[in-house]
Amino acid sequence: KAGVTQTPRYLIKTRGQQVTLSCSPISGHRSVSWYQQTPGQGLQFLFEYFSETQRNKGNFPGRFSGRQFSNSRSEMNVSTLELGDSALYLCASGDGVTDTQYFGPGTRLTVL
Amino acid sequence: DAKTTQPPSMDCAEGRAANLPCNHSTISGNEYVYWYRQIHSQGPQYIIHGLKNNETNEMASLIITEDRKSSTLILPHATLRDTAVYYCIVRLRSNDYKLSFGAGTTVTVRA
Repeated sequence: KAGVTQTPRYLIKTRGQQVTLSCSPISGHRSVSWYQQTPGQGLQFLFEYFSETQRNKGNFPGRFSGRQFSNSRSEMNVSTLELGDSALYLCASGDGVTDTQYFGPGTRLTVL
Repeated sequence: DAKTTQPPSMDCAEGRAANLPCNHSTISGNEYVYWYRQIHSQGPQYIIHGLKNNETNEMASLIITEDRKSSTLILPHATLRDTAVYYCIVRLRSNDYKLSFGAGTTVTVRA
């Protein structure tokens, strides 16, 4: 099976802009989670979607949002970008059987 | 999720076994121990997980103490490609898919 894919891999934006990141889970997986990784805060959970419903949410401002489509693909959106949003954004999919999550390669977002 | 404690760093010689400790003294009876690793700037890679029995797969072995308050990940024959940050995580196997990552252990395999 193909692994988790994320697009784009690299992105440069300026403050105030918005950005949309995409994640395609492993075929058959219905759970998609998003994480933010920065040097200062480490890996932090953003939110998790299962069957198009947000099931869990981390402690991030409302500028961070996401959605999941009927084919389990997921997108996350960050509005009004700030310099501190520069990070590696990781997506993970879960098989719902072993509850193990598998991560994608990430999208490196740089906000100038 | 229960908190875990790992040493910040450790070195290992290539070809030797690497033993990575993790303390999780507040783990509850239905929480699993998961191990992931992250090679620089890549996504975390799942290694292994267990509840109370020792587990082994093609990548590593997981030894969990009888009281479940600590565990050890064993990389049997470390290679340079095993250099990474290793994360020990405890979580419920339920509908909650949130993984709480700590700082992990930076493992450097030296030739």
